[in-house]
Amino acid sequence: KQEVTQIPAALSVPEGENLVLNCSFTDSAIYNLQWFRQDPGKGLTSLLLIQSSQREQTSGRLNASLDKSSGRSTLYIAASQPGDSATYLCAVLGPPRQLTFGSGTQLTVLP
Amino acid sequence: ETGVTQTPRHLVMGMTNKKSLKCEQHLGHNAMYWYKQSAKKPLELMFVYSLEERVENNSVPSRFSPECPNSSHLFLHLHTLQPEDSALYLCASSQEQTYEQYFGPGTRLTVT
Repeated sequence: KQEVTQIPAALSVPEGENLVLNCSFTDSAIYNLQWFRQDPGKGLTSLLLIQSSQREQTSGRLNASLDKSSGRSTLYIAASQPGDSATYLCAVLGPPRQLTFGSGTQLTVLP
Repeated sequence: ETGVTQTPRHLVMGMTNKKSLKCEQHLGHNAMYWYKQSAKKPLELMFVYSLEERVENNSVPSRFSPECPNSSHLFLHLHTLQPEDSALYLCASSQEQTYEQYFGPGTRLTVT
């Protein structure tokens, strides 16, 4: 059974700092990996999707990498802003075509 | 309306009530999902519909009953729920099951 772990569970940084969120998964047989953002009491917003054949994806200040063989992904956020404060969720899509989520990293960017 | 919408956004119900959650997607997708998000736990997949047929049912209690009348609409019928069923219920859709999933804002359910 696929298990997804996110470290750290919570992170607090000053504005402007670059930061890395980590995600690991136990079964490397995946179709893709998605990073989501969730604001308190709200739904999920998809940030980046990396197909299993890809190594990284970039969108604005966000860069996500995937090392399928080692079961790891990182989300890099450059020049963090208070508006980036949210919970960031990693999810892997694997057989039988189900998304398995991590517990998330709660990020606080201090002004 | 764009994206994935869910109604109601908040619901309080007693253990003997019957209610339904509604999800609608305006993205032309053909797969829809129900997830449950409880406090301090990862999102759990409940049901998957692909081309209006249920393809996954992850050992969900029978007090939750999904319905997918067409590719744009998904319902979750609730009856005789328990207090531990209180959670955020999220709907999602995608174009085929291996593509990116888009989520609705969720329904916050409280069972009293």
